[in-house]
Parts: sequence; structure tokens; C-alpha cells
Amino acid sequence: KNEVEQSPQNLTAQEGEFITINCSYSVGISALHWLQQHPGGGIVSLFMLSSGKKKHGRLIATINIQEKHSSLHITASHPRDSAVYICAVRPFGNEKLTFGTGTRLTIIP
Amino acid sequence: GAVVSQHPSWVICKSGTSVKIECRSLDFQATTMFWYRQFPKQSLMLMATSNEGSKATYEQGVEKDKFLINHASLTLSTLTVTSAHPEDSSFYICSAIGGAGEHYEQYFGPGTRLTVT
Repeated sequence: KNEVEQSPQNLTAQEGEFITINCSYSVGISALHWLQQHPGGGIVSLFMLSSGKKKHGRLIATINIQEKHSSLHITASHPRDSAVYICAVRPFGNEKLTFGTGTRLTIIP
Repeated sequence: GAVVSQHPSWVICKSGTSVKIECRSLDFQATTMFWYRQFPKQSLMLMATSNEGSKATYEQGVEKDKFLINHASLTLSTLTVTSAHPEDSSFYICSAIGGAGEHYEQYFGPGTRLTVT
């Protein structure tokens, strides 16, 4: 069992829909990252969370430390949001990130 | 925000040659840099962790003599793939930890696509 589980693995939605991607992990962590990877490969750091909630434009990330769960929300989704979204956690006492397998999001115009 | 750059963004080389990939933190000092490799439709795999001025720590199964890492300054780390073979073709991504205050976190470079023919 992976230490970091993402769901769904694939998600296709219509433009404008509200999107939620979930990440669950099994160890105590000091930080959780949400990353975006477009088809060309480049990775963009979206959020780093250690508690609570962060918002940037149409993106919102939340984390519940007690439940070991985080969600990434996209409001008013757009085709340019189509990408792979990766959750990564930094376990306590470890500088290395553990990555989820990613969620492939496709937004249809 | 903090930026990590990589050069080149893509490279094609012949089997047996060596290729150097540079990773720079543009507006912060990075005491720790990571090198990852990603194969198609797979997640990032950590290859090694490098700290400025010391030898890199390689993950199990990664050949240190094949993947030479140099972290000579707080803003530059290099990965040299020596005697490259087609199976080394992959997407190589560097990442750096740094930044001040609330901006202290891990930042990723855009990646370098290596094709060995």
C-alpha cells in the first residue's frame, strides 16, 4: 500500500465544473505539497500546506492533519487546467518527499 | 515566488557520451537540492539528495559513478549522466529547498528531457 493515495486516478469534466482531487496519507507529516504537471512535463508547485487552507486564484487546498487527508479544489474549471496533479508529503524527520501517483485531469470545452 | 531553473530543457545525445544538466535556484539560496527521474506515466523517483559542499546521498539502486552530482554553490547543482545509454532516456527534474520565512519550502525546476540515441 502506498503511503500516499490519490483519488480519482483519472477525472474528466466539462468546462466550468467544480473539481475535487483527494489525497490521503498514512504517516505523520510536516508538510504536504500539491504539484501540477502539464503534458510537456514541467512541474509547478501549487501549494505547500502544514495546516488549514490556502487559496490562489481558482485553486483551493485544504488539509486535515488529524484525518491525514488533503483536498485540492478547482473552481470554474478550464481546459488549461488539464494536467496531472500530484500530492506529495514530507514525513516527520525526513527531508524527502513521498509522492502520490497523480490524478490526470481533463477538462472538456 | 522562488524560481528553480534547469538547463538544457531538452537534450539528445549519442550512446556513450556524457551529458551535464544544470539546476539553479534563481532568487534564493538552496542548501539542499534533489534530483528526480521520471519515466512516462510514472511518478517522480528520487535519485539523490545533495547538500552544498558535501557529497550527494544516492538512493538505493542509483549508480553514483554513472550519475555524478556536484553541488558546488548554494545556487547551482549539476547532474552529469556519464556514458549515457538509451535506457537513461528520461525526464530529469531538480528541486531545491530554500526561501525565507513563510516562503521556505521545496521548489521544482521545469525538468530536462534526455533522449539517448
